[in-house]
Amino acid sequence: DTEVTQTPKHLVMGMTNKKSLKCEQHMGHRAMYWYKQKAKKPPELMFVYSYEKLSINESVPSRFSPECPNSSLLNLHLHALQPEDSALYLCASSLSRGQRTEAFFGQGTRLTVV
Amino acid sequence: RKEVEQDPGPFNVPEGATVAFNCTYSNSASQSFFWYRQDCRKEPKLLMSVYSSGNEDGRFTAQLNRASQYISLLIRDSKLSDSATYLCVVGGTGGSYIPTFGRGTSLIVHP
Repeated sequence: DTEVTQTPKHLVMGMTNKKSLKCEQHMGHRAMYWYKQKAKKPPELMFVYSYEKLSINESVPSRFSPECPNSSLLNLHLHALQPEDSALYLCASSLSRGQRTEAFFGQGTRLTVV
Repeated sequence: RKEVEQDPGPFNVPEGATVAFNCTYSNSASQSFFWYRQDCRKEPKLLMSVYSSGNEDGRFTAQLNRASQYISLLIRDSKLSDSATYLCVVGGTGGSYIPTFGRGTSLIVHP
C-alpha cells in the first residue's frame, strides 16, 4: 500500500471561514509534508513533520496551522485565508527524514478562496 | 541561483521519438535524486529513483552525473501517454531529506 489519502478533494471557502484539510497514510512513514502548488509551478514546501513533531516551517503565514495528531494523520487548519491562497495543497510522506527514500503524494486538495 | 533547475520546455516530439531531459542541482552534497511525473491537475507520482550507477525501467533511463551536478531522464519510443510534466526532485544533506522540486519540464507527444 503506497497510498496517501487526502480529503476533501475540492474545497471552496470564504475569507472568514475556518476549514481543515486532512491527510492519512498507513505505510509506517514517520515524515510527512505539506506542499502548496500554484498552476504551472512546482510544489513549494510549507511544513515538515518528523515523528509527529514540526521540524520545518517555511515561513508560512499563521493563517495556516498544521497539526499531526498521530503518526498516520496530518491536518492543515485554515483560517482567514486570502484569494491568493487558492492552490492545490499536497500532502506527502516518506519513510523518515535523513533517509534516501522517495516521497509519496496524496491526490491533493484543490482549494479556492472566495 | 535556484537549487534545482530544469528547462520548462515544452518539448514537442512525435510518437516513437527519443527525448531527454536534464536537471541541474546546486548543492554538491545532495544525496537523493528522483524523477516524478505530474499530469495536469493531478498529484506528482514517482517515476523512478536515480542511482549513481544509473537505472533503467523499460523505456525510461535515468542517470546521475555528480561531477557536473545534473541528472537526466531519457525516454525511448515515446507514447502519447507520456505527455506530462516531468519533475526533477533532489533530496538534501546532513540527515535532512526534504524533497526539493525543479519547476518541471513539459513533454507533449503528438501522433
